[in-house]
Formats: sequence, structure tokens, C-alpha cells
Amino acid sequence: IQMTQSPSLLSASVGDRVTLSCKAGQNINNYLAWYQQKLGEAPKLLIYNANSLQTGIPSRFSGSGSGTDYTLTISSLQPEDVATYFCQQYNSWWTFGGGTKLELK
Amino acid sequence: QIQLVQSGPELKKPGESVKISCKASGYTFTDYAMHWVKQAPGKGLKWMGWINTYTGKPTYADDFKGRFVFSLEASASTANLQISNLKNEDTATYFCASPLYAHAGWFAYWGQGTLVTVSS
Repeated sequence: IQMTQSPSLLSASVGDRVTLSCKAGQNINNYLAWYQQKLGEAPKLLIYNANSLQTGIPSRFSGSGSGTDYTLTISSLQPEDVATYFCQQYNSWWTFGGGTKLELK
Repeated sequence: QIQLVQSGPELKKPGESVKISCKASGYTFTDYAMHWVKQAPGKGLKWMGWINTYTGKPTYADDFKGRFVFSLEASASTANLQISNLKNEDTATYFCASPLYAHAGWFAYWGQGTLVTVSS
């Protein structure tokens, strides 16, 4: 299943509400996770099952969506949120999106 | 605490082989699957496949059939990835990852990654 993320690069200011998109090539039944990867580090799980917040992740992160279209929202961008974000489907095997790089404006 | 600790960086020549290890601690190793993920320099994540840590059965994604082998040393709570006949395009960081949750598809725990550089 192909996963397409947009935009590939996003510039935003501290305090902004940020929305990242992920589109699946077919219905993935909410079997979607979001990961944050900082430079030189392993990915970190943020969201699973499209909208469940992983333990220890700040509540400013939230996930939504259904069918083929999913969104990761950061309600108030913080400097430590600068990273690349990947979506992943696990409805049929596993595939990742190409990533959205989030930078500070 | 739960940890996945991978072996160190490797520098290899084309045609050689490499074996990467992923040692688990803090949980019962055979309870949860272990997946492998490739990340080429500056690129995204690519799922390589997974191994059933209870039965030892590996499953490979289409692009990773042939030169890639997943194996276990269950007594040492370790999963291994071996790549043979290395090519320049195998240069990447390889991650092990596990859901550590029954029947979960997401990867809650990751190793720190192992950089494999293939260069003549």
C-alpha cells in the first residue's frame, strides 16, 4: 500500500498549529502510526491506531482521520518538535510514507 | 527498562557480507516480533521484513528477498540481520524495532540503528 505524505517540507513558527497529511493508496482501516525522527536518532512512536497517543508523548500531538486520509496535528509548535515525521500503515504488511520535514520559520 | 541495543557501525567492500545484531532486554524476547527497517542516507524508512521470535520464521518484503537473512540467538535475546554480496546501495542505517504489544502493528521500541557503509 503506497503512503503519500504532504508537504515534504513545512516551515512554521513557535506556537503555530501545524497539520501534516498522510494519504494511503487504499482504505487502511485506521491502522496508521505516526513517528518523529530527529537528526541522528531512531524514530519515536507518537500515535498508533490513527488517534491513540503513545504513553509519554505530549498532548499537543494528536492524530485523526479515516479511510485513506490521515492527519497529525501539533497544537502549539515547540522548538523541540523540529524533526522529520513519518506515517506508517500496518493494515496490509507495513509501509512508510516519504516523510515531512518540519523546520522553524 | 526495555532496550534494543544494536551492534556498531560497519565499513565493508562491495561483495562482502555483514551481520548486524540487536540485543533485547527488559522483556521476554520470544513474546514479540522483531522487525527490520532500512534508512538510506537522507532518505525515508523502508520496511524490510520481520521474524517471529517464538518460531524463528522470517518474512521478507519483496525488495529484500535473496541477499538478506533474519536469524535469532534466542538464548541471548538477540536478533540478527545478515546481508551478503553487499552493494553500494546497501549503504544505510538499519534499525530493529518491535511493537512489544500483542498483535500490534506499530513499532513502540527501536534500536539505535547500525550504519553500514559499502565502499571500495
